[in-house]
Amino acid sequence: DAGVTQSPTHLIKTRGQQVTLRCSPKSGHDTVSWYQQALGQGPQFIFQYYEEEERQRGNFPDRFSGHQFPNYSSELNVNALLLGDSALYLCASSRWGTGLVNQPQHFGDGTRLSIL
Amino acid sequence: QKEVEQNSGPLSVPEGAIASLNCTYSDRVSQSFFWYRQYSGKSPELIMSIYSNGDKEDGRFTAQLNKASQYVSLLIRDSQPSDSATYLCAGPMNTGFQKLVFGTGTRLLVSP
Repeated sequence: DAGVTQSPTHLIKTRGQQVTLRCSPKSGHDTVSWYQQALGQGPQFIFQYYEEEERQRGNFPDRFSGHQFPNYSSELNVNALLLGDSALYLCASSRWGTGLVNQPQHFGDGTRLSIL
Repeated sequence: QKEVEQNSGPLSVPEGAIASLNCTYSDRVSQSFFWYRQYSGKSPELIMSIYSNGDKEDGRFTAQLNKASQYVSLLIRDSQPSDSATYLCAGPMNTGFQKLVFGTGTRLLVSP
């Protein structure tokens, strides 16, 4: 049973460039969330996709955008890269939860993005 | 006040001891919680979830939730050096149950 897979593993970009990160959810999961984790910090929620729509969004600028495909996989796009965007980008998948039951999220190995 | 707060540590315990990791949360966080373990350079791994008041045990791990005090903890019995990692507490925001907010994590060091 494949877990959450992310690509690429590492990426080096320069300021002003654009980047696309990819994620395939765990089998049986239909919801994908993206997080940014800076060194020494907990993951920060960027946004979440379900049924190909952005359902929740954290406090990130519009330079961060995403997409979900019919097979539940997802992309995170970041435009006009800044030095401060250097971080570990994590994708987490889950089943969509309803009511008060919060479904556990399972993380991929992440993409380490370095901005020069 | 941050939504979820943890002491960054490090928490040092000898092998075989009980490690107690704590987390407090604000009114903005819904009352179900997850504990993740993160080894250095790796991604977070889900180890426990707790949805109701009280204790939940799974092997050497016990999660405790006290809704009245807005406090959640993780106990690790018979701590092993392989338990040395950062432990992250996370809960969903009241405004969106799937929007997890994390604490900064507590670093646990288990010495042989």
